[in-house]
Amino acid sequence: QVQLVQSGAEVKKPGASVKVSCKASGYTFTSYDINWVRQATGQGLEWMGWMSPNSGNTGYAQKFQGRVTMTRNTSITTAYMELSSLRSEDTAVYYCARGVLTGTYWYFDLWGRGTLVTVSS
Amino acid sequence: DIQMTQSPSSLSASVGDRVTITCRASQSISFYLNWYQQKPGKAPKLLIYAASSLQSGVPSRFSGSGSGTDFTLTISSLQPEDFATYYCQQSYSTPHTFGQGTKLEIK
Repeated sequence: QVQLVQSGAEVKKPGASVKVSCKASGYTFTSYDINWVRQATGQGLEWMGWMSPNSGNTGYAQKFQGRVTMTRNTSITTAYMELSSLRSEDTAVYYCARGVLTGTYWYFDLWGRGTLVTVSS
Repeated sequence: DIQMTQSPSSLSASVGDRVTITCRASQSISFYLNWYQQKPGKAPKLLIYAASSLQSGVPSRFSGSGSGTDFTLTISSLQPEDFATYYCQQSYSTPHTFGQGTKLEIK
């Protein structure tokens, strides 16, 4: 079925990096952008950026510029989000979400279940 | 960045009630507004896109309206499964910012 399956929970030390994967199935991977959204415990949703699996083009929120890298491997229909120089404030659930463009309207219609990243010394 | 402000932040209501949640953008975003529902421990679920278009499979008791800076999500008759947190999101420009959320609780 159509789904995004994310990698498992991670525990990292401050200053380390984490790489979260998001495997797409049931649809043409290269036809839809992948977005990454994070949510700290008890907090709201924060958009981090997008990646085109077709071209590899990316766009990142200013807040994460220089620390985040979004990539993909089309042969295994998997997108990745790597966040470096981790700090305690990066502790959150990280979601990948499929971006759909209808006319000129973007929205996220398919989400992964989320990956908990805990940053702790 | 465009700031999205939802009101109220929390809301208590009963099954069968009509409920309206408001979202205001810090600048005009035309109709570039989406609504999501999130239940505890789950990923968000798309309800409404382009301000008023109902996502496939979403019950018709959900509706959205508005344009420019002011938008509303209405649930015409609350069902037990509707108690959740609701988020608006603008897709007018990046970063695609979300509102802070409205938690809908059972009265």
